[in-house]
Amino acid sequence: GQQLNQSPQSMFIQEGEDVSMNCTSSSIFNTWLWYKQEPGEGPVLLIALYKAGELTSNGRLTAQFGITRKDSFLNISASIPSDVGIYFCAGQRGGADGLTFGKGTHLIIQP
Amino acid sequence: DAGVIQSPRHEVTEMGQEVTLRCKPISGHDYLFWYRQTMMRGLELLIYFNNNVPIDDSGMPEDRFSAKMPNASFSTLKIQPSEPRDSAVYFCASSLALGGIYNEQFFGPGTRLTVL
Repeated sequence: GQQLNQSPQSMFIQEGEDVSMNCTSSSIFNTWLWYKQEPGEGPVLLIALYKAGELTSNGRLTAQFGITRKDSFLNISASIPSDVGIYFCAGQRGGADGLTFGKGTHLIIQP
Repeated sequence: DAGVIQSPRHEVTEMGQEVTLRCKPISGHDYLFWYRQTMMRGLELLIYFNNNVPIDDSGMPEDRFSAKMPNASFSTLKIQPSEPRDSAVYFCASSLALGGIYNEQFFGPGTRLTVL
């Protein structure tokens, strides 16, 4: 099935640095979502975006829904150790439909 | 609220055996989703139900896979016969349709399946 193109695949950063990751698609989605997954657990929703051009923040996290409806980015400011994990973008066409996921960005924070 | 419950958490089986994965959605939720996660293919939607009725099973890999939802509080994903390439983490998620643009899906902890 279709997947979203998410980059980068992994990031090695120092604590306190800002992080940016993005996702693109060849087709349009009506909702873009960002999830975080920690070892041994299922994905947990971080931010949901509903309108093209929308910019939404959740604490140190900021995400935007691209104007074309085919892309989104997630920024994390001033990273802390608990930000470690795998971040996934996901697209959804209808409000109750299943999700199409990117392959994830593995965030590693070096001491 | 206990969240989405999946069992078993880990399953190791031999090729050719039947495997049954179980899911209890969050009480009151009317949508249930099964996803599979592998290193190669990432997270993929397999099938989802609305009010116990399968809505979209286009992601089910092949006839060896089947899913049922006999009631609002229980679903199974069965693989018969299992093959090594079925090894993956299988997630169940549920959501409540509120009529909005997006109904948040809550994921269970997953079942890690290893087929030898």
